[in-house]
Amino acid sequence: SQTIHQWPATLVQPVGSPLSLECTVEGTSNPNLYWYRQAAGRGLQLLFYSVGIGQISSEVPQNLSASRPQDRQFILSSKKLLLSDSGFYLCAWSRGPLTDTQYFGPGTRLTVL
Amino acid sequence: DAKTTQPTSMDCAEGRAANLPCNHSTISGNEYVYWYRQIHSQGPQYIIHGLKNNETNEMASLIITEDRKSSTLILPHATLRDTAVYYCIVRVRETSGTYKYIFGTGTRLKVLA
Repeated sequence: SQTIHQWPATLVQPVGSPLSLECTVEGTSNPNLYWYRQAAGRGLQLLFYSVGIGQISSEVPQNLSASRPQDRQFILSSKKLLLSDSGFYLCAWSRGPLTDTQYFGPGTRLTVL
Repeated sequence: DAKTTQPTSMDCAEGRAANLPCNHSTISGNEYVYWYRQIHSQGPQYIIHGLKNNETNEMASLIITEDRKSSTLILPHATLRDTAVYYCIVRVRETSGTYKYIFGTGTRLKVLA
């Protein structure tokens, strides 16, 4: 069966510090991968998605970036965090365009102080 | 832009059916309706999806109107563990061939003992 992992589970960072969140998927190959952010009391906002290694599509302009160095690894980064980057970050995967139900990871709660 | 509209909150008595409505009046002919739920501080959990026909699985039933402009998620016998935020989502296809979920703000369902 497939599982999706995210770490860390929680993170508190000062403004201006760098960020690296990691997501890995097990039990499948060549998944589509997604990064979402959820601000407090809000719905999910798609940030990035990837259909393959090195292929990243950005949905909203921001100071975040994403990378996919391996087939089942997706990384969300920032060089300098802003207060507005606080939120709940979720990674998701799907098999492909024909059967594209997305399955979400447990999330990372980021607080920028 | 959210393509779905849901009530902000609903209550349901334990053991009764919970009927969660969703309006998606601008949905296109090939766009699926998905339902997920999110328990506090966890990743969203997939429930069910459909295109035109009504669907049922072990968790819920999905009723889609003939004109596809609205749908209802039915939890047949709600339990306290069904208390969560329920998201009705339209899945749109990108020009790249991948699919994207458009999340709304969801319905906060509280199941009362």
